[in-house]
Amino acid sequence: SQQGEEDPQALSIQEGENATMNCSYKTSINNLQWYRQNSGRGLVHLILIRSNEREKHSGRLRVTLDTSKKSSSLLITASRAADTASYFCAEGGSNYKLTFGKGTLLTVNP
Amino acid sequence: KAGVTQTPRYLIKTRGQQVTLSCSPISGHRSVSWYQQTPGQGLQFLFEYFSETQRNKGNFPGRFSGRQFSNSRSEMNVSTLELGDSALYLCASTQGAIYNEQFFGPGTRLTVL
Repeated sequence: SQQGEEDPQALSIQEGENATMNCSYKTSINNLQWYRQNSGRGLVHLILIRSNEREKHSGRLRVTLDTSKKSSSLLITASRAADTASYFCAEGGSNYKLTFGKGTLLTVNP
Repeated sequence: KAGVTQTPRYLIKTRGQQVTLSCSPISGHRSVSWYQQTPGQGLQFLFEYFSETQRNKGNFPGRFSGRQFSNSRSEMNVSTLELGDSALYLCASTQGAIYNEQFFGPGTRLTVL
């Protein structure tokens, strides 16, 4: 399989805590993207970080990228119950597709 | 702008039948991709179309096919359905390069009995 891996597979935290998810990928990328999926629904794009960027912020989200280690991390600060969802990283290459990881299921307890 | 729409949202078929799923991209988006999502395999790329041309195809048997029309709407077809084809089928559209932000539809939940 060419899919990357997210770590951990599942994460349970309390509201107000920070959540960190890691992603390892396998190919050369143009960018690395993170998506959120609420139970059984479509994916929502969260943030895109280009291969020449090391860190990017968007609201409560912070993404880092280490191309030498082929890894990325997504930090959600001050988590809310509404953040409960599955989070996926996706490799954006130049071969007309995104390659998704297996995802991290985040549960934020009120 | 209206988002990506997929029809139908739910579908129940029996083994051996065939099915056609439809996707309407966001207005102005010319690239449409299809993905299959199952609990076991996760999100798997099926194919991508741009201006009616298939530019990439995932590792799926020939029973899975697709096409794109001149208005960028896309359909995918699965013939001779198998139990393992039960999945959430997601369509995504994007403007410009394929590795840009993808906009996903709500998906079609296919159940094969």
